[in-house]
Amino acid sequence: DTGVSQDPRHKITKRGQNVTFRCDPISEHNRLYWYRQTLGQGPEFLTYFQNEAQLEKSRLLSDRFSAERPKGSFSTLEIQRTEQGDSAMYLCASSSTAWIGQSGANVLTFGAGSRLTVL
Amino acid sequence: QKEVEQDPGPLSVPEGAIVSLNCTYSNSAFQYFMWYRQYSRKGPELLMYTYSSGNKEDGRFTAQVDKSSKYISLFIRDSQPSDSATYLCAMSPSSNTGKLIFGQGTTLQVKP
Repeated sequence: DTGVSQDPRHKITKRGQNVTFRCDPISEHNRLYWYRQTLGQGPEFLTYFQNEAQLEKSRLLSDRFSAERPKGSFSTLEIQRTEQGDSAMYLCASSSTAWIGQSGANVLTFGAGSRLTVL
Repeated sequence: QKEVEQDPGPLSVPEGAIVSLNCTYSNSAFQYFMWYRQYSRKGPELLMYTYSSGNKEDGRFTAQVDKSSKYISLFIRDSQPSDSATYLCAMSPSSNTGKLIFGQGTTLQVKP
């Protein structure tokens, strides 16, 4: 078990470009979450998947953002037409619903994050 | 008003000190309370997980929840320079959701 992996760790792009982040969760975990963290703030929920189904999206997730988890394993988060306000750390986390009643599916394991800088 | 309020600090203490970190919240539906530690340019890692009111101890760390006051605390005894990090409180109403509400985080520096 290598934990939650995210790639790339840092992306610098120009305003208007598209970027894509990838997340590989812990293999036994069926839930995958995306959070965004800006400097000096706590993480904010964006969206989550259970297996391949996207079950909830935050209002923070504008139409320029799209997330997929096509085979219920890895996930991608794409941002189209990036804006300077998109600059943040994008965190991926995973958990298991098999833990309900014990430690809970709300026990998240986070990756190291993908830092986006939009110039 | 944010659902979860946390003093951002920074908090600077000498090695060996007892550290107290706190969060207040407004949503009485929160039942599960967590503390995460985040080192610079890293993802958060879970430190403590508690359900409802009461205390939980794990080594040098003690988490307290007072639901009547909507107030949670994390105490660190015998603080070490390696404890220098940002500490985030997080909450959820259910064990079935990973949609956590985080505080702003408190930055702690423990000086040797």
